[in-house]
Amino acid sequence: AQSVTQLGSHVSVSEGALVLLRCNYSSSVPPYLFWYVQYPNQGLQLLLKYTSAATLVKGINGFEAEFKKSETSFHLTKPSAHMSDAAEYFCAVIDPGSGGYQKVTFGIGTKLQVIP
Amino acid sequence: DTAVSQTPKYLVTQMGNDKSIKCEQNLGHDTMYWYKQDSKKFLKIMFSYNNKELIINETVPNRFSPKSPDKAHLNLHINSLELGDSAVYFCASSHDRVSYEQYFGPGTRLTVT
Repeated sequence: AQSVTQLGSHVSVSEGALVLLRCNYSSSVPPYLFWYVQYPNQGLQLLLKYTSAATLVKGINGFEAEFKKSETSFHLTKPSAHMSDAAEYFCAVIDPGSGGYQKVTFGIGTKLQVIP
Repeated sequence: DTAVSQTPKYLVTQMGNDKSIKCEQNLGHDTMYWYKQDSKKFLKIMFSYNNKELIINETVPNRFSPKSPDKAHLNLHINSLELGDSAVYFCASSHDRVSYEQYFGPGTRLTVT
């Protein structure tokens, strides 16, 4: 079964600093990978997705992620953190061979705190 | 225009009661999902329906019964509520069963006392 591991349940950065949220996947075949963001008391919103096209994926709000097969990683980055980026971030994976339907497996989430 | 809506937003009830959560999407999507998010923010899929047909049924107690009267609605009925059912329940939808992007509702926070 596919799974993702998010390193660090809490990450704190200063406003204007680089944001790096880590995600590693376990898969014998290249999976489809996603980052979702959850703002307080809201549902999840898709930030970006990797579906076997370009390995560097750009998403909304200035975020991007790079798929690195050699490292089985899909880390999320943003060059300069903004206060509005404070939220919970979830890495997720879909097994492309999961029988014709898309069952998403989520990581445990990383809470991003932005310090003014 | 709310794409995926859920009612109620908050639900507080006692053990043993039966309750329902409703979900509606106005995106014209074929596929809908129910997720449970526990107190540690862990998000796990429970059910998925495609055009009113159940396609994903994870290892969920049979006290939970989803119902899809039409493809725009997916309701979740829970019988004999237990303390461990306390969580945030999210409804989501996708264009079809093979679409990658899922659109989430705002969640229903269920508290069982």
